[in-house]
Amino acid sequence: DVKVTQSSRYLVKRTGEKVFLECVQDMDHENMFWYRQDPGLGLRLIYFSYDVKMKEKGDIPEGYSVSREKKERFSLILESASTNQTSMYLCASQYRGNQPQHFGDGTRLSIL
Amino acid sequence: DQQVKQNSPSLSVQEGRISILNCDYTNSMFDYFLWYKKYPAEGPTFLISISSIKDKNEDGRFTVFLNKSAKHLSLHIVPSQPGDSAVYFCAAPDQAGTALIFGKGTTLSVSS
Repeated sequence: DVKVTQSSRYLVKRTGEKVFLECVQDMDHENMFWYRQDPGLGLRLIYFSYDVKMKEKGDIPEGYSVSREKKERFSLILESASTNQTSMYLCASQYRGNQPQHFGDGTRLSIL
Repeated sequence: DQQVKQNSPSLSVQEGRISILNCDYTNSMFDYFLWYKKYPAEGPTFLISISSIKDKNEDGRFTVFLNKSAKHLSLHIVPSQPGDSAVYFCAAPDQAGTALIFGKGTTLSVSS
């Protein structure tokens, strides 16, 4: 089974802080993704990566950046956290395009 | 503009009956669709998919039907069980075939 592990289940940070969310997958998948889930809005794509050091913006990249230095690890960075970034963050990995994505359990991030 | 739409935010069904979850899409170029199930505080889990060359795909109690002319797909769960209570997301890969475009989800409640 594919395992996607997100470093924290719950996180509380203050406005203006730099926040790092980490994600690791164990299946040598090419593609990795960061989404946020908000009530009534479904899952929205923030960034994705199709290879080491490669990244593409999703639908809502503003206020975020990402890093993929190793194939198995994809990090989401909130450069200066704001209260509107309080959300559930979900990481996913995918063997290749047009295949199912496999999700981690999510990080519930609260920005105070 | 939403390319994948789930117009019913919620659905309530009695145990043993059929649950039908609906999804509409606007982009006729979509050729692969997925359904995910999500419990609270967990990541989405891949449930079932269908390619546009088929009009039906079945896996145990779950069947997905695709009507390309109507740009509509549906997920049937028969018989419904209380453990099926979750949020169900319909999704389709973007034109690059990489990122998924999700609907906003339908919350299914199955009562015993």
